[in-house]
Amino acid sequence: DQQVKQNSPSLSVQEGRISILNCDYTNSMFDYFLWYKKYPAEGPTFLISISSIKDKNEDGRFTVFLNKSAKHLSLHIVPSQPGDSAVYFCAASVQAGTALIFGKGTTLSVSS
Amino acid sequence: DTGVSQDPRHKITKRGQNVTFRCDPISEHNRLYWYRQTLGQGPEFLTYFQNEAQLEKSRLLSDRFSAERPKGSFSTLEIQRTEQGDSAMYLCASSLQAGRTETQYFGPGTRLLVL
Repeated sequence: DQQVKQNSPSLSVQEGRISILNCDYTNSMFDYFLWYKKYPAEGPTFLISISSIKDKNEDGRFTVFLNKSAKHLSLHIVPSQPGDSAVYFCAASVQAGTALIFGKGTTLSVSS
Repeated sequence: DTGVSQDPRHKITKRGQNVTFRCDPISEHNRLYWYRQTLGQGPEFLTYFQNEAQLEKSRLLSDRFSAERPKGSFSTLEIQRTEQGDSAMYLCASSLQAGRTETQYFGPGTRLLVL
């Protein structure tokens, strides 16, 4: 039973346009959500997070939106750059500082 | 660089052998986590420590797996009698206890291949 789902295995976007990566979850107890980026042969790199008491968090080109009623979050990257090409993982935890549950990832390709 | 470090980065072993991986967390991070990632999947939680205490273990952590964090600093993950199904990337992460917005930072991983 997958508690965190990233239903799009891949996404292709042109440089300068917006990338929108989506994530759905089933566990209503999740309280903290994070996005990580991963390059091949490296560990995941933290991008941005949001707690359940907020519905939006911004950090530079990255914005995460949380819709608790729909159990859905999304990561917006504007503008997209070729260096953003990587696998993006959505993760959630019942409480910050406990086990993270990850989705299977979405591979983003940004072409110039 | 003061990030999470893992050693070795790669390990090839024969089925039935024992292997041990080491993780050094970010300085002063009191929580340390182990995850496993296989091809096409996201990382899966194995276990975590707060200081030297092991607080949670996943059902994925069979009795062939053992993890320690003896002095609350570095940690080791040992796999005994390795099986081909143990082939995966083993990731370590650390965090500083910080309330609602605590973030886990990952190391580069140890890639294990069991022949």
